[in-house]
Amino acid sequence: NAGVTQTPKFRVLKTGQSMTLLCAQDMNHEYMYWYRQDPGMGLRLIHYSVGEGTTAKGEVPDGYNVSRLKKQNFLLGLESAAPSQTSVYFCASRSFREGTEAFFGQGTRLTVV
Amino acid sequence: GNSVTQMEGPVTLSEEAFLTINCTYTATGYPSLFWYVQYPGEGLQLLLKATKADDKGSNKGFEATYRKETTSFHLEKGSVQVSDSAVYFCALSYGNNRLAFGKGNQVVVIP
Repeated sequence: NAGVTQTPKFRVLKTGQSMTLLCAQDMNHEYMYWYRQDPGMGLRLIHYSVGEGTTAKGEVPDGYNVSRLKKQNFLLGLESAAPSQTSVYFCASRSFREGTEAFFGQGTRLTVV
Repeated sequence: GNSVTQMEGPVTLSEEAFLTINCTYTATGYPSLFWYVQYPGEGLQLLLKATKADDKGSNKGFEATYRKETTSFHLEKGSVQVSDSAVYFCALSYGNNRLAFGKGNQVVVIP
């Protein structure tokens, strides 16, 4: 069982560069999420999706875009990276059933210089 | 709104000591509550959960009880091991199955 797989695991970007983080899940989950984790801040929701073709903003969406063209994939894009986007990014997926657990990927450590 | 508050600061304790991490929440309605654990270099994984008031979640010697009257979900373990060293996050579930997380507590267990 692969669960939730994120690529890449590490990346260094220069300010102004763009990149896409890929998340793939093999559990047929309806819901998918992108979080960022910063020291002392816990996890903050960037964007999420409740199904194929749908996306919605979380609490810190600025500077990011997402797409969910296929149910199993959820892409996070940075169009013009900024040092403030240096963080560890986690993808998660979850069933639509209330009370079920979310499954997390291993994270992508992104540094913007 | 929906939010989770965890006690401030890391927790350092000796092996076989008793562990408590406090968690209180603010929410509309009666959310499901979770504790997640993050080991170094890894993603989060579910430790335990409770879906209604007075439920007790338990796993690997850890326990937490959903207390509606005090809006709390404190995590406890009677005798910690070095392998319990990790970051622990309290979370609640709200609209569209989103999770709101506390800031996390680093737990360091010394042999």
